[in-house]
Parts: sequence; C-alpha cells; structure tokens
Amino acid sequence: DIQLTQSPSFLSASVGDTVTITCRASQGISSYLGWYQQKPGKAPNLLIYAASTLQSGVPPRFSGSGSGTEFTLTISSLQPEDFATYYCQQLNAYPLTFGGGTKVEI
Amino acid sequence: EVQLVESGGGLVQPGGSLRLSCAGSGFNFESYSMNWVRQAPGKGLEWVSYISSSSGTIYYADSVKGRFTISRDNAKNSLYLLMHSLRAEDTAVYYCVRQEGAPYFDYWGQGTLVTVSS
Repeated sequence: DIQLTQSPSFLSASVGDTVTITCRASQGISSYLGWYQQKPGKAPNLLIYAASTLQSGVPPRFSGSGSGTEFTLTISSLQPEDFATYYCQQLNAYPLTFGGGTKVEI
Repeated sequence: EVQLVESGGGLVQPGGSLRLSCAGSGFNFESYSMNWVRQAPGKGLEWVSYISSSSGTIYYADSVKGRFTISRDNAKNSLYLLMHSLRAEDTAVYYCVRQEGAPYFDYWGQGTLVTVSS
C-alpha cells in the first residue's frame, strides 16, 4: 500500500500568512494527488486535483505543486475561513490512501 | 445541483449487520464511479470501497474485505454498502463520494454515522 505522510500535523498561523503543507508518498504516484479541506462536522471539500489543478470555485490563494513522491499545498494570504484540517489523497493505486491530516489553527 | 444523500446509519451491536444507502441526484449517476469513505470520531479519512460505473470493477480496503459489500443500482441512482460482522473499530461517519475520471473525489455526501457498541 502507498503511505502518505503529511507534515506538519498542526500548524499555527495568522490571517494574512502564507502556509505550506507537505505530503510525501512512500512510492511514486505521478501526479495522482488531491488535496481536501475539512471543517468540523462537515464533509471534505476538494481543493486541488492532479497535484496542481485548482478545482472550480476554489479561491486562487490555494495552489498545489509536486509530482512523484513529494507534494505541497500552499495557502497564500490565509483567510479566517481557511482555518480547517487539510488532507492529501493518492489516486494512483488501490487501496486509495489519505494522509494523516494537517490542522491549521489560529 | 449534484447531491449525494446517505442513509441507514445507526447503532448496531458488535457482530451485527447494517446496510447503508446513498441516493444521487443532479447528475448522470450511471456514468460515474463511486466510493465509500469513512472517518472515525476525531480521526482522519479512510477509503473503504470503490465501484465502477457498470459495477464491473470493485475494490475494498483490507480492513473491510470479506465483511463489506459495495453495490449500486443505476436505475435507482443509488449506491449501497452492506456491512456484516461489524466491530467497534467500524464506528465512523460513512461518506458516499463521487469519483471524477481524472481521477479525484469531487462530490461528497453529508455522511451517516454508524456506531458499533453493545
């Protein structure tokens, strides 16, 4: 199975900051990586797919990069509504797997 | 508007069974692969099962293989998850998720809570 390691697990930031979350895969997954945002009590919401493609309706302050085994999610100019938990997911091979999550706190 | 609405969750005793349903609307259900993803209380996301649009390809996580069965009825725009031999560690919110072809998970239901406890 492909393991995804997210770092950091927790991140404290302020409104206006730029934050970066890293996701490392245990083996190459090409660009088959997605990023999701989840707020308490809600279903996850797709932000980025194919490692760097912004999902329709997602603000451009979110961006993704990487391929192979190392990927990043960057949030520029953090907004109050961005405080949430973020997950990466590999869709290269079954079983599909998620990273452990990164909680972005004020 | 794409909607996925899960139902069928509840409290079940260890060793019991439960059937989850997911009703899709606002899109051509028979054209999309579907998945179940679960999230234990306070924990991260865990992919559970996948079914292709025609039901020709099915995958399961090792943690549920042999106990859970995914199925769909395209005529009823519905996805199902039949769960047997339930364990305490199966306690979670179960999400029905549409898979776009790229692939990625583009629409999620609101989830249904399954609690396995005596």
